Amino acid sequence: DAKTTQPNSMESNEEEPVHLPCNHSTISGTDYIHWYRQLPSQGPEYVIHGLTSNVNNRMASLAIAEDRKSSTLILHRATLRDAAVYYCIPTGVQGAQKLVFGQGTRLTINP
Amino acid sequence: DSGVTQTPKHLITATGQRVTLRCSPRSGDLSVYWYQQSLDQGLQFLIQYYNGEERAKGNILERFSAQQFPDLHSELNLSSLELGDSALYFCASSVEPGRATGELFFGEGSRLTVL
Repeated sequence: DAKTTQPNSMESNEEEPVHLPCNHSTISGTDYIHWYRQLPSQGPEYVIHGLTSNVNNRMASLAIAEDRKSSTLILHRATLRDAAVYYCIPTGVQGAQKLVFGQGTRLTINP
Repeated sequence: DSGVTQTPKHLITATGQRVTLRCSPRSGDLSVYWYQQSLDQGLQFLIQYYNGEERAKGNILERFSAQQFPDLHSELNLSSLELGDSALYFCASSVEPGRATGELFFGEGSRLTVL
């Protein structure tokens, strides 16, 4: 499994953009990059995933570096509900059998 | 609401006892995953089943066992409980295993407290 490095915590203000970085320098060429988040007292929930190109969905955008050794999850306008722990998870065909969660980044949103 | 149902939501028991946690996957999902989340270990993958068969195993203790039934619900059995087994236990489901683009849907968890 590819190793990931994420900041332990980040803080932002409501209605401002948030950029959550993740380093995954050992990622293999076929691994997708998944992001999940865990809101307080809830199970993890899927946010977004990508392979090489940047991706957008209703929740967030994912920017993937050209060398794929890092990626950034972008929340365009953070709300209080976005306060959560965000996990970056490289996932290959084998890895998809068992998502491996690291420590993640705890995001705090100030009103 | 992810569509994954876990029961019970909370469970308090004593050391040495045995408990069973139940998970109903989303309608149509054939694969079930179990995770343990404790304060010091984070989210740890325990085991995965696909259509009744074990597909992948993580750091699951020998005192723990799981199965997936023909109706696709799954049970995680924890026996000879120790204080350190106190944790949140999450079940997740997906349509099929082994897809790198697959999305897992998690339940709200079962909180086990061992006294």
